[in-house]
Formats: sequence, C-alpha cells, structure tokens
Amino acid sequence: EAGVAQSPRYKIIEKRQSVAFWCNPISGHATLYWYQQILGQGPKLLIQFQNNGVVDDSQLPKDRFSAERLKGVDSTLKIQPAKLEDSAVYLCASSSQPGQGYNEKLFFGSGTQLSVL
Amino acid sequence: GNSVTQMEGPVTLSEEAFLTINCTYTATGYPSLFWYVQYPGEGLQLLLKATKADDKGSNKGFEATYRKETTSFHLEKGSVQVSDSAVYFCALKVGGFKTIFGAGTRLFVKA
Repeated sequence: EAGVAQSPRYKIIEKRQSVAFWCNPISGHATLYWYQQILGQGPKLLIQFQNNGVVDDSQLPKDRFSAERLKGVDSTLKIQPAKLEDSAVYLCASSSQPGQGYNEKLFFGSGTQLSVL
Repeated sequence: GNSVTQMEGPVTLSEEAFLTINCTYTATGYPSLFWYVQYPGEGLQLLLKATKADDKGSNKGFEATYRKETTSFHLEKGSVQVSDSAVYFCALKVGGFKTIFGAGTRLFVKA
C-alpha cells in the first residue's frame, strides 16, 4: 500500500516570498490533515479536511496561509507571504475514519522542511 | 483544555537497557491515548494505542498502560536496541476533536 506522499522534501525561501506544498493521501482516505512541526515541538494541527470540505481550520493563520483539497483527494498548502517564524516541517496526514472516531489512526507523510531566511 | 506533557529529552541509553518515557495528559472527557514514533527522515507512525482506562497498548516490545487515576500513559520497553533510536510522541484524542501531540522525546541508543 502506497503511503502519504508529500513534495517537495525541502524548500528554502526568503521572507515575504510565497511557497506551496503538495500532499497525496493514501487512496480512499477521506480525512486529510496538515500539521506544522516547529523544531523541538510536537505537530500542531493547521487544518483538517473531510473529503473536500474543511472541518477545522481554527489554528490556520488565514491572513497568510491557505489550503485546498479539490476533488477530495490531493491537497495543497500555501503560505503567502512567508515569515521567519514559518520555518518548520509541514506534515500531511490522512486517515480512513471520519475523524470523529476514538480509534482514529493517522498515517503521516515524510513532511516538507521549510526554511525561511 | 486538552494537553499532553512528556519528559524532555534527549534520553541516551545503552543497548539492552530499560526504557521509560513519561507522559501525562489533561483532557476534558475520556481520551484515547497514543504513542507515535518518528524515525530519522521519516514521517510519524503509530506505535501503540489505548482507548480506555487500564487498557495496555503494546507493539514491537513497547508497552504503555492507560492510567486514569494518574492521568498517565508512560512508554516502556524492557530492552532497547540501536534501531529504536527515534523521536517518540505521546498524543491524545477526545471524541470528535483533533489529535493533540506532546513535544516529543528523542531517544538515542548506543551500541
């Protein structure tokens, strides 16, 4: 079974530039998450999709971050303009359960490491 | 609110040593508890889970018991190997809410 695919693996940009990350979840997984993992911290949820609808984006900095999941499969996360504090690993995860289950198991991609200079 | 606190790392052990990584939680309601592991260069993957009090999750020689009275879910392994070197994340989920992760504990195992 193919895992969660993310690209690019690394990205270096200057502040105020824009950047986009791509995620392809495991086939058939309806729920998709984007997490931000700052060095030395645990992953923090940015946005959760159920199919192509947003379930939770309460911690997404909407003035600069946006995400979409067209057709309920692939997803892109964009930052525009980037700030120094956006330097982090951006993780995509998916699950087959609807997100409401106590037993939900998340499958993670390898992440995109973003450095903002 | 819901939160997870785990012991700071790094933890450095010799091969075949006993491992304990402490995890405590605060939750409104009755959470499910998880340990995820992140090997170098890879994404997080589920190691084990427990969904109710006194449940014991186990996998690959690792164990953790859901202790409601102490709000803890400590990870243990009787004999660690070099290949266990990784970052370990304790996490909780309450019902329909998001999975919340601790800060992670890095483990180094020396041959």
